[in-house]
Amino acid sequence: DAGVIQSPRHEVTEMGQEVTLRCKPISGHNSLFWYRQTMMRGLELLIYFNNNVPIDDSGMPEDRFSAKMPNASFSTLKIQPSEPRDSAVYFCASRPGTGDTGELFFGEGSRLTVL
Amino acid sequence: SQQGEEDPQALSIQEGENATMNCSYKTSINNLQWYRQNSGRGLVHLILIRSNEREKHSGRLRVTLDTSKKSSSLLITASRAADTASYFCATPNDYKLSFGAGTTVTVRA
Repeated sequence: DAGVIQSPRHEVTEMGQEVTLRCKPISGHNSLFWYRQTMMRGLELLIYFNNNVPIDDSGMPEDRFSAKMPNASFSTLKIQPSEPRDSAVYFCASRPGTGDTGELFFGEGSRLTVL
Repeated sequence: SQQGEEDPQALSIQEGENATMNCSYKTSINNLQWYRQNSGRGLVHLILIRSNEREKHSGRLRVTLDTSKKSSSLLITASRAADTASYFCATPNDYKLSFGAGTTVTVRA
């Protein structure tokens, strides 16, 4: 299995631009998570999908952030408009079970720099 | 919110030495997990210990769990340069997994 695949690995953009991050979870995994990692705040959960349905988006910082999961093999995290404080590494992670509390499988992350 | 907190924040050891890091958490859990993150990479799951277990081994890793003290420790024995990474404890709260701030381990050759 190829693991969780994220793209792009690196993105540099200017303030005000739209950013779209992509994630392909491991086939057969029912749960998908988006996390953000910064030095100041560590790893923060942004949103959780189960069977393609957003269950908890309480971690999404503001309306500029949106996430979709149109099917079981693809999810996007969009920031519009982007701001310098959005600079971070964004991770997608998936897990096999529904309501499970087992291990997460992480992608390699998308490092976003907003100038 | 961060449920687990690791200690120390950073650790520097000589190759071949053991590295020990601790994690404290706040609420009741049914398991505790440890992850490793190499620089510029994603997190990788190392080991999961359930609340009814006190100790677990995996290769050179040894994890303990004390639910009465709400704490866990991760011991890496006979460290290698490749063990240089950040290590995170994580605790589930429902379907969510909350991560601590991590311990950065540097293994000197």
